[in-house]
Amino acid sequence: QSALTQPASVSGFPGQSIAISCTGTSSDVGGGYGYVSWYQQHPGRSPKLLIYDVIDRPSGVSNRFSGSRSGNTASLSISGLQAEDEADYYCSSYTGTDILVVFGGGTKVTVL
Amino acid sequence: EVQLLESGGGLVQPGGSLRVSCVASGFSFSTYLMSWVRQAPGKGLEWVSGISNSGANTYYADSVKGRFTISRDNSKNTLYLQMNSLRSDDTAVYYCMKKFDYWGQGTPVTVSS
Repeated sequence: QSALTQPASVSGFPGQSIAISCTGTSSDVGGGYGYVSWYQQHPGRSPKLLIYDVIDRPSGVSNRFSGSRSGNTASLSISGLQAEDEADYYCSSYTGTDILVVFGGGTKVTVL
Repeated sequence: EVQLLESGGGLVQPGGSLRVSCVASGFSFSTYLMSWVRQAPGKGLEWVSGISNSGANTYYADSVKGRFTISRDNSKNTLYLQMNSLRSDDTAVYYCMKKFDYWGQGTPVTVSS
């Protein structure tokens, strides 16, 4: 099972919207399980769940974050970019195999 | 409030062993799949191992298969990872993760002579 593919970096100005892609295969992201998650990680901190089950947002997470999926590619969108959004973002997918979970390589978001 | 508290990390020589633990609170521990995920210095996240809610089924990344053993004690709300034959590339912060959502603060493991 290979890692999911994310862009290494994405940047935007405050107030803008950005999107981060996460490309896998029909065995993970595009599979029927629906367990695609997105995490935000600030330096020196543990990852924080932003999106689960492709599109759902935990309570307490800003509605500026949204998830979607098309085929084997999931996406995280951030609207109204803020300085505090500068962090690393990771996607993950359940695979239904003995390799339970695969992660993307991470995307560094820079607020210009 | 969900809390996951890892412990047991430290410095170990190549070829050595270490057991890390994760004490869970704030949720019904015995209900959930649990995993260990690691992050090498300056690198991304790598799923290491998972265990079903009852402990009957265990899963491992190819990089640790045969060297690491995951287990859980539902009576103590505790998840374990026994790491044997440690190598320098096992150096990382080890996080426990509840299903696919909550994470602990991590415990650092350094494999070096």
